Amino acid sequence: SYELTQPPSVSVSPGQTARIICSGDVLPQQFVYWYQHKAGQAPVLVIYKDKERPSGIPERFSGSTSGTIVTLTIDGVQAEDEADYYCQSTDSSGGFHVLFGGGTKLTVL
Amino acid sequence: QVQLVESGGGVVQPGRSLRLSCAAFGFTFSNNGMHWVRQAPGKGLEWVAVISGDGSKKYYADSLKDRFTISRDNYKNTLFLQVESLRPEDTAIYYCARFGTSVNALDIWGQGTMVTASS
Repeated sequence: SYELTQPPSVSVSPGQTARIICSGDVLPQQFVYWYQHKAGQAPVLVIYKDKERPSGIPERFSGSTSGTIVTLTIDGVQAEDEADYYCQSTDSSGGFHVLFGGGTKLTVL
Repeated sequence: QVQLVESGGGVVQPGRSLRLSCAAFGFTFSNNGMHWVRQAPGKGLEWVAVISGDGSKKYYADSLKDRFTISRDNYKNTLFLQVESLRPEDTAIYYCARFGTSVNALDIWGQGTMVTASS
């Protein structure tokens, strides 16, 4: 098995750039996906296959990779972006076992 | 409208069994693999299980595979999760999610159903 590690929290002021990282040894070999989760709501996919944005997701959300670290970047953070963010990947033994990072609480000051 | 609606949660005594359901609307249910994901109070998302579109393949989180069974009825567009010998640590919101083939990710999620294992 393997792990995906995220910082527990990130804080930014409105209009600034938020960067949430996710690290894991298998990330160079596997795609990463990012979900936004607000309390009491269903999680929402915001980035797929490392850097692709689903339709309906604002352009201020972007993803990037560098070796064993992937980054979710939110440019021009808005109050509505305050949420928990989870990275997700799959194991290397066929891709059917899903793994989530521990989640990062984004606070908009 | 594409939608998933979970049901079957509630307060259940430890040691009892429980079956959760997830009704799918607005898409061809049999075309998509389906997942269960749970979130314990104050904790992060935890993957539980996945089932292929035709129901022939099933995979579970290693720590849960002995007590959890995922299944589906493609005629009724419904996904199920059977939980045996419920434990206090199974207390969580249980979400069903669709595996979207165009994005290779969990692209549609339900609102979740709360399960509380308590006497």
